[in-house]
Amino acid sequence: AQSVTQPDIHITVSEGASLELRCNYSYGATPYLFWYVQSPGQGLQLLLKYFSGDTLVQGIKGFEAEFKRSQSSFNLRKPSVHWSDAAEYFCAVGARNSGGSNYKLTFGKGTLLTVNP
Amino acid sequence: EPEVTQTPSHQVTQMGQEVILRCVPISNHLYFYWYRQILGQKVEFLVSFYNNEISEKSEIFDDQFSVERPDGSNFTLKIRSTKLEDSAMYFCASGQSLYEQYFGPGTRLTVT
Repeated sequence: AQSVTQPDIHITVSEGASLELRCNYSYGATPYLFWYVQSPGQGLQLLLKYFSGDTLVQGIKGFEAEFKRSQSSFNLRKPSVHWSDAAEYFCAVGARNSGGSNYKLTFGKGTLLTVNP
Repeated sequence: EPEVTQTPSHQVTQMGQEVILRCVPISNHLYFYWYRQILGQKVEFLVSFYNNEISEKSEIFDDQFSVERPDGSNFTLKIRSTKLEDSAMYFCASGQSLYEQYFGPGTRLTVT
């Protein structure tokens, strides 16, 4: 069964600093990978996704992520963090069921990002 | 931009009571999902729904749970007899294709 590990529960960065949030996955086939962000009181907003092709994917709000098959990782990065980026970030892997009729997401536990002024 | 909406935002109920959580998916979407997140734990898949039937359910989704798309716009999750351990944030999601899921803001269910 697939699984996702986000090793950092809480990260604090200063505004303007660079950011990297770690994500490791376990999945038997080629994974479909996602990063979602959740601000307080809001739903899960899709930041970016990787299905195939270029291993560096660009998302919304200036985020990018790099798929590294050899490391089973899909780390999220941003060169310069803004105070509005403070939120919880979830990495997820998508998998089809054996009959191919369904596709579900398996999430990591999330990383809470605090941004200091 | 169309969004998935969920009502209520917070529901408090007593143990043993029935609750219905409501979702309005994005209008042209075909795939529908419920996930939940117990406080401090991962977001977990509950059930997926396509073509008016359940396409997959997790082991959490036992006989106390049911889903329905009663009128072509709403998608509901019913918990027949709530337990304390059902307290969680419940997220609805929908997608136009199999590989995308857009999430609603969630309903926080508190069972006392």
